Amino acid sequence: EAGVTQFPSHSVIEKGQTVTLRCDPISGHDNLYWYRRVMGKEIKFLLHFVKESKQDESGMPNNRFLAERTGGTYSTLKVQPAELEDSGVYFCASSRRVHEQYFGPGTRLTVT
Amino acid sequence: GEDVEQSLFLSVREGDSSVINCTYTDSSSTYLYWYKQEPGAGLQLLTYIFSNMDMKQDQRLTVLLNKKDKHLSLRIADTQTGDSAIYFCAESIKSGGYNKLIFGAGTRLAVHP
Repeated sequence: EAGVTQFPSHSVIEKGQTVTLRCDPISGHDNLYWYRRVMGKEIKFLLHFVKESKQDESGMPNNRFLAERTGGTYSTLKVQPAELEDSGVYFCASSRRVHEQYFGPGTRLTVT
Repeated sequence: GEDVEQSLFLSVREGDSSVINCTYTDSSSTYLYWYKQEPGAGLQLLTYIFSNMDMKQDQRLTVLLNKKDKHLSLRIADTQTGDSAIYFCAESIKSGGYNKLIFGAGTRLAVHP
């Protein structure tokens, strides 16, 4: 069974630009989560999809972040316009049962 | 509030036991987790414990849960150089009928000969 995949693995953009991160969950997993780790600190929850619906987006920092999961398969997280403080590692996770989340390798975003 | 605390760094000699500690704040947490992140890799689910248990053992790993003190620990027996990684403690808290994970900042384990 393939694991959670994320693309790209690393992105370097300038402040004010737009970046779109993609996550492909494990096949059959209805639950999809986005997390972020900034500056070596704790990993923070951003949002949770159940199929194509946003179940919980309480962790989204502001309206510059937009997450979608069309068709309930892969998900995208767009940052527009990017700011310096958005730099960090963005993790995606998926689960079939809510108490077992499997994480992808992360996308390292650097905003200069 | 939601807060998970863990020490940032631990150094052990190869062959010794490692103990990584974590405290959490939400007494209603149903599951508590240990994730491992090796250099350049993603988060690997190492083990988890249900909140009504106080111990779980899986080969070289032992998880101890003190629910009264909201304290979780991970013991790695016979630590090897391949165990060098960042270990994240996480608690699962309820959010609108589902669960979300609250992580600590991670403990970097360094194993030296």
